[in-house]
Amino acid sequence: SSELTQDPTMSVALGQTVRITCQGDSLRSYYASWYQQKPGQAPVLVIYGKNNRPSGIPHRFSGSSSGNTASLTITGAQAEDEADYYCNSRDSSGNHLFGGGTKLTVL
Amino acid sequence: QVQLVQSGAEVKKPGASVKVSCKASGYTFTTYYMHWVRQAPGQGLEWMGIINPSGGSTSYAQKFQGRVTMTRDTSTSTVYMELSSLRSEDTAVYYCASQLGADIDYWGQGTLVTVSS
Repeated sequence: SSELTQDPTMSVALGQTVRITCQGDSLRSYYASWYQQKPGQAPVLVIYGKNNRPSGIPHRFSGSSSGNTASLTITGAQAEDEADYYCNSRDSSGNHLFGGGTKLTVL
Repeated sequence: QVQLVQSGAEVKKPGASVKVSCKASGYTFTTYYMHWVRQAPGQGLEWMGIINPSGGSTSYAQKFQGRVTMTRDTSTSTVYMELSSLRSEDTAVYYCASQLGADIDYWGQGTLVTVSS
């Protein structure tokens, strides 16, 4: 199917680790990228490719993939990590596709 | 530095068309693809399509086929996204976003398009 499925909401205690997942058939063929979006702001790329961080993205963000599931892990979550997170990959025709997003709350 | 500057907010009536512009600077315009992504109020990101600024070739999400047209003007390093037959569900913030690296990595500030009678 040409869909990417994410849990709508997740929470993590300050300083703890959280894994945000993205499921879809296309992830067997394509890596996912991950975007962070805070209210009123444009998205920011945090992970791309196998597990690459753009310049300026903290080391606590990492990515992984297994089968039809891609994951974004935040190790030692900070208050400023509270945001919406979207995965992005390709569909069967090679066009881009976003997941529905995960709203992360840092407790 | 890379900058994508979009045109201002628009209010349109149902059935009308809207054309949003996105002026790029800080890199070689014709070298990198440009995407359009929209976000309805309180909703997630939705990929609309992509344009190759070099030759002008495009690929659109199936949902928007027949309603969206993406073009570019290499003389001004500007891409355009025109959406026709607007309906209330098209009310959203529309973003242009470039792909200088492996994926969509730089975003414009967004343009709010409101469709209301």
